[in-house]
Amino acid sequence: DSGVTQTPKHLITATGQRVTLRCSPRSGDLSVYWYQQSLDQGLQFLIQYYNGEERAKGNILERFSAQQFPDLHSELNLSSLELGDSALYFCASSSRDRVVTEAFFGQGTRLTVV
Amino acid sequence: GESVGLHLPTLSVQEGDNSIINCAYSNSASDYFIWYKQESGKGPQFIIDIRSNMDKRQGQRVTVLLNKTVKHLSLQIAATQPGDSAVYFCAENQGNRDDKIIFGKGTRLHILP
Repeated sequence: DSGVTQTPKHLITATGQRVTLRCSPRSGDLSVYWYQQSLDQGLQFLIQYYNGEERAKGNILERFSAQQFPDLHSELNLSSLELGDSALYFCASSSRDRVVTEAFFGQGTRLTVV
Repeated sequence: GESVGLHLPTLSVQEGDNSIINCAYSNSASDYFIWYKQESGKGPQFIIDIRSNMDKRQGQRVTVLLNKTVKHLSLQIAATQPGDSAVYFCAENQGNRDDKIIFGKGTRLHILP
C-alpha cells in the first residue's frame, strides 16, 4: 500500500459528460501529480500541484482541470468527455525535501467513456 | 514530447537468469534518471534512481547503468524471479523547480519458468 488513495476505482460514463477524480496523498506529502495511462501512450504527465499551487503542467487538455485543496487532497476534473479519454488516471504524491525521484502512486482510476 | 523511451516493448527472460532492460533518452540536461516497476493492476513503484553525474548505482538485486556519451540507461535485475514480472519504465527528473517526473513507454518483462 503506497498510502495514496484514489477514488473511484472504476468509472463508466458517456461522451460529453463530466467526471471528477479524487486523490488523497500520503500523509505529509505536499506534492501531487496526475498522470494518464493509455494502452499505447505510457504514462503521460498531466499536471502537478505543490501545497495548493500549480507547479508544472504537461500534456493536459483544456477540457481537463485540477486543483489541490487546503487539506492537500486533489481533484482532476474531466469535461466534455470523448472516447479517447478512456484511460487509467493515476495520482502520485511526494515530499519535496530534495529533487523528487520517488513518487508514490495510487492504484488509479479506470475511466471508460462509452 | 517525451524525452525518454525504451528500446524494446517486451523482454522474455528465463527464471534465474539476469535481465537487462534498456532505455534511451534525449535530454542531456536531466538531473536524475529513474526506474519504476508497474505490476498488473497497480500503480508504478519506484525501484532505483541515478544522478546524472554517476555511471552506476546498485540496489538490492538491481543495478542501474548510465552512459551519458550515448544517452543510454539500463536496468539490470539479477537472478530474475517470477515476482519481477511487470512493466518497467525509465523516467527522468530534469531537476527544475517543478520536479515533474517524465516517463518513457515501458518494457514488459516476462519470466519464463
